[in-house]
Amino acid sequence: QSALTQPASVSGSPGQSITISCTGTSSDVGGYNYVSWYQQHPGKAPKVMIYAVSNRPSGISDRFSGSKSGNTASLTISGLQAEDEADYYCTSYTSSGSYVFGTGTKVTVL
Amino acid sequence: EVQLVESGGDLVQPGESLRLSCAASGFTFSNYWMSWVRQAPGKGLEWVAKIKEDGSKKYYVDSVRGRFTISRDNANNLLYLQMNSLRAEDSALYYCAKYDSYHFDQWGQGTLVTVSS
Repeated sequence: QSALTQPASVSGSPGQSITISCTGTSSDVGGYNYVSWYQQHPGKAPKVMIYAVSNRPSGISDRFSGSKSGNTASLTISGLQAEDEADYYCTSYTSSGSYVFGTGTKVTVL
Repeated sequence: EVQLVESGGDLVQPGESLRLSCAASGFTFSNYWMSWVRQAPGKGLEWVAKIKEDGSKKYYVDSVRGRFTISRDNANNLLYLQMNSLRAEDSALYYCAKYDSYHFDQWGQGTLVTVSS
């Protein structure tokens, strides 16, 4: 199972919006609405930001939103803030019952 | 408050075995699938394995199938990962994660496994 493809880095200025893509196949991203997104600050455990493509867990800011089209899912962060600087990973359920993570994206707030 | 506390990580030589444990609290452990996810130093996340609530179903990433075994003790709220025939590429921080509605909603802080001669 190959890792989902994410851009290595994305940057934006405070207040701007950025979008991170996550591309898979019809056996994972395209086949199921079970894409989730995780934020990871250095030295910390990952934290779920979005699940089931577009659902936000309780306590997660509505500046974070998710969507999917075909084999590509996306995470958008609007009103970018300094605290959003972190690594972000997508993951998807797969047809074999396993999970595959994305390659990860480093978000930099300029 | 949900707590997941991993233990058992160590420095071992290639070919050796290690068992990781994860102590869960703050939720009804026996009602949830559980999973292990790993992260090699400076690298991305990799899903390793998951186990059904009653232990009757187990899934593994291809690279560990046949070498690693996930198990659980619902009476004591413990999750395990038995790792045999360890390789250098298994070196990573291993996270225990609670699995709910097709996502990993709670994570531990991880336990470090280093495989080196």
